[in-house]
Amino acid sequence: EAGVVQSPRYKIIEKKQPVAFWCNPISGHNTLYWYLQNLGQGPELLIRYENEEAVDDSQLPKDRFSAERLKGVDSTLKIQPAELGDSAVYLCASSLGFGTTQYFGPGTRLTVL
Amino acid sequence: KNEVEQSPQNLTAQEGEFITINCSYSVGISALHWLQQHPGGGIVSLFMLSSGKKKHGRLIATINIQEKHSSLHITASHPRDSAVYICAVRLETSGSRLTFGEGTQLTVNP
Repeated sequence: EAGVVQSPRYKIIEKKQPVAFWCNPISGHNTLYWYLQNLGQGPELLIRYENEEAVDDSQLPKDRFSAERLKGVDSTLKIQPAELGDSAVYLCASSLGFGTTQYFGPGTRLTVL
Repeated sequence: KNEVEQSPQNLTAQEGEFITINCSYSVGISALHWLQQHPGGGIVSLFMLSSGKKKHGRLIATINIQEKHSSLHITASHPRDSAVYICAVRLETSGSRLTFGEGTQLTVNP
């Protein structure tokens, strides 16, 4: 069975440009998470979806970050405009439901110049 | 012909040697970046140039706008300098999109 798929794997952009990341969770997983991970640190939750509803987006910097999961399956995370400090790995994870095992994708490594 | 060309593609040096990596481009640019990529994929921005010369530690980057050419120099090279060095340019005609060279694989032996 395919795991969590993310694309692109790497992205390099100049500051002030927009960027979008895509995630396809494991089939049947209702819960989808977006995390940000800085070098040498653990993942920080940005947003959690239950189906198409964002149930926890308290850590999402809403002035520049947005996310959507329109049909309750794939999700996109967007940053506009990107800042130098946004350079990090953006991880997507999915689980059957809240509190169950999360399965992580390979991440998108973003570099903002 | 690629819009951005780097040379050499591969470079092997002994510790302590002076290293030069070249980047040539064929159209007008508004900025040029030198990037360093270590095994594992992490990319570090070394310099952004639009004219002249910049220096940071043992690294020196120069650009000649008229000749459409930039060089990255490493003085007193060290094995930890081993990495891929990438030249990227912001073309005048492409807005903010970057065009990348193919990179130079540098190996510095002790």
